[in-house]
Amino acid sequence: DSGVTQTPKHLITATGQRVTLRCSPRSGDLSVYWYQQSLDQGLQFLIQYYNGEERAKGNILERFSAQQFPDLHSELNLSSLELGDSALYFCASSVAVSEQETQYFGPGTRLLVL
Amino acid sequence: LAKTTQPISMDSYEGQEVNITCSHNNIATNDYITWYQQFPSQGPRFIIQGYKTKVTNEVASLFIPADRKSSTLSLPRVSLSDTAVYYCLVEEAGGGNKLTFGTGTQLKVEL
Repeated sequence: DSGVTQTPKHLITATGQRVTLRCSPRSGDLSVYWYQQSLDQGLQFLIQYYNGEERAKGNILERFSAQQFPDLHSELNLSSLELGDSALYFCASSVAVSEQETQYFGPGTRLLVL
Repeated sequence: LAKTTQPISMDSYEGQEVNITCSHNNIATNDYITWYQQFPSQGPRFIIQGYKTKVTNEVASLFIPADRKSSTLSLPRVSLSDTAVYYCLVEEAGGGNKLTFGTGTQLKVEL
């Protein structure tokens, strides 16, 4: 158990819908990362937050957005869902933002768009 | 942005040493290299991290040559429970910390 929690575990929805994925980082970790993992794209970095502020952006679509709240939990919002958005979405946390920081990954949310 | 490539899969027997290499030709001066292990339906788990030369911990060693264009994860005496996908990650320094995971190597350990 990494100490990072993600909800929900599974999510099935229809195209065009909007969903919110939630992540609670390890106690004391200020940095949160979001990743998308699909069979054809592998692990793709989406976005990173540090202490409530956006820190880095990766391959995140404009239909996706995220935020980190004062209590440090984070939410990833996916809108106008398409079939290709079906994937595992992981959240990870680390203490700070240095490139030397170890990231601790949550169990993931499996999203299926029908 | 550093592009990383790894072998798609490797097979090994229990008790053998396994070496998995990741290529990252465009790695920048301040980038670090981290390796993660992932089991099915679980999030990746940290194994080891390094910048140059050799790093060793209780589960693995990481070899990085002087040009840093590649890195090799070495798992000594693998067991069945080491069957997993192994990813290398290059973390770009200097404001932004863009993260590029390798393509992943499926390691299968057999008796």
